[in-house]
Amino acid sequence: GQNIDQPTEMTATEGAIVQINCTYQTSGFNGLFWYQQHAGEAPTFLSYNVLDGLEEKGRFSSFLSRSKGYSYLLLKELQMKDSASYLCAVKTNAGKSTFGDGTTLTVKP
Amino acid sequence: EAGVAQSPRYKIIEKRQSVAFWCNPISGHATLYWYQQILGQGPKLLIQFQNNGVVDDSQLPKDRFSAERLKGVDSTLKIQPAKLEDSAVYLCASSLVAGGNTGELFFGEGSRLTVL
Repeated sequence: GQNIDQPTEMTATEGAIVQINCTYQTSGFNGLFWYQQHAGEAPTFLSYNVLDGLEEKGRFSSFLSRSKGYSYLLLKELQMKDSASYLCAVKTNAGKSTFGDGTTLTVKP
Repeated sequence: EAGVAQSPRYKIIEKRQSVAFWCNPISGHATLYWYQQILGQGPKLLIQFQNNGVVDDSQLPKDRFSAERLKGVDSTLKIQPAKLEDSAVYLCASSLVAGGNTGELFFGEGSRLTVL
C-alpha cells in the first residue's frame, strides 16, 4: 500500500516564504505531484518531480529525495490568493496517483 | 481546449436512493479516473480506466458503486443504494498517456453529493 503524510494546517504571512513537507512510502514509485486546491474547487497541477532535486517554477519550487521518501513544496513571496489546500500525490508505475490529505495554508496580511 | 466536464454539479438524495454522475474527459486523454473527496480529506481513487478497460478498481465498493466507460470516452459513476457516508465530492480526472508526459491529472469541477 501507500502512505502519504503532510501537515494538516500551516499559517504564514503575506510576502513570506513557506515550506510544506510531504513524506511517503510506496512501491513502484514513478513520480510525485503537488496540486493546489482552493476551497470548493477542483485540484490544479503545480509541479512534478521524478528525479532527485529541485524543480523551480516561478514563485513555486518542489524538491524530491527518493531515497528518503521526502518532498517539499516551497512558496515564495506569498500572496493572499495562495491560501488554499496543497495536495501531495504519489504516482506509481501503473499510473495510479494516491493523494495525501492535504495541507491547508492560510496566508495572513 | 475544453476541460473535463462533469454533471450534475450538485445532487441531494435520501439514503437508499440511487444517483449517477457523468464525466467527459479532455479529448485524446486515454486515462480516466473517478475520485471521492470527503470534506477535509484528499481525493481517494475509486476507479481508473485506460480507454474502456479497468486498470484499478480495488477501492471501489462494488456492492453499491459501479462505473463504466463503454466507448473509451465518456464515463458514468453510479451509486445504488446510497448511504450517508457517501456524501462527498466526486471528482473525475483525465490524463494523457504518452512518452515523456508527466501524467498530470486534469480535474473536472466535481459533483457534490449530499445524502440525507
